[in-house]
Amino acid sequence: AQSVTQLDSQVPVFEEAPVELRCNYSSSVSVYLFWYVQYPNQGLQLLLKYLSGSTLVKGINGFEAEFNKSQTSFHLRKPSVHISDTAEYFCAVTKTSYDKVIFGPGTSLSVIP
Amino acid sequence: EAGVAQSPRYKIIEKRQSVAFWCNPISGHATLYWYQQILGQGPKLLIQFQNNGVVDDSQLPKDRFSAERLKGVDSTLKIQPAKLEDSAVYLCASSFGGGAPRDEQFFGPGTRLTVL
Repeated sequence: AQSVTQLDSQVPVFEEAPVELRCNYSSSVSVYLFWYVQYPNQGLQLLLKYLSGSTLVKGINGFEAEFNKSQTSFHLRKPSVHISDTAEYFCAVTKTSYDKVIFGPGTSLSVIP
Repeated sequence: EAGVAQSPRYKIIEKRQSVAFWCNPISGHATLYWYQQILGQGPKLLIQFQNNGVVDDSQLPKDRFSAERLKGVDSTLKIQPAKLEDSAVYLCASSFGGGAPRDEQFFGPGTRLTVL
């Protein structure tokens, strides 16, 4: 069965500093990978996704993620965070053949002014 | 375009009572999902519809949860009777295609259920 690990439950970071949110998955087959963001009292919004091709994926709001097959990781990065980036971030995985999307437990990013 | 609509936004009930949530997906989206998000966890899929047919309900507690999507548009999720552990946010999402794994899902704001 697939699973997603997000090692950091909470990440505080100062405004304009870089940030990396870590995500590791377990799967023995080809996968698609996603990062979603959830602002307070809102639903989830897709930040970016890896389907195939280049392992470096660029998303909205200046975020990017790199797929590393050998390390089964899909870490999310942003070179300079803003107060408005404060939110919950979820990594998700699904098999390329039909299957449900499995979400990680989430990482709460707090940007400190 | 309008997003996924859900109502109510908040609901507080006593255990053993029943409750229903409503979802209206984005117009033209064939696939509709219901997720349960317990505090501190990621969303967990309860049921997936394609048009008005069920694609996956393997994680739906069928002894107390039911869902329907009449006419392939809006959907209702019901819990009867509710238990304390059902306290969670219930998210509805929709996607345009046939529910392929690569399809982007668009989420509604959720219904926060508190069972006392």
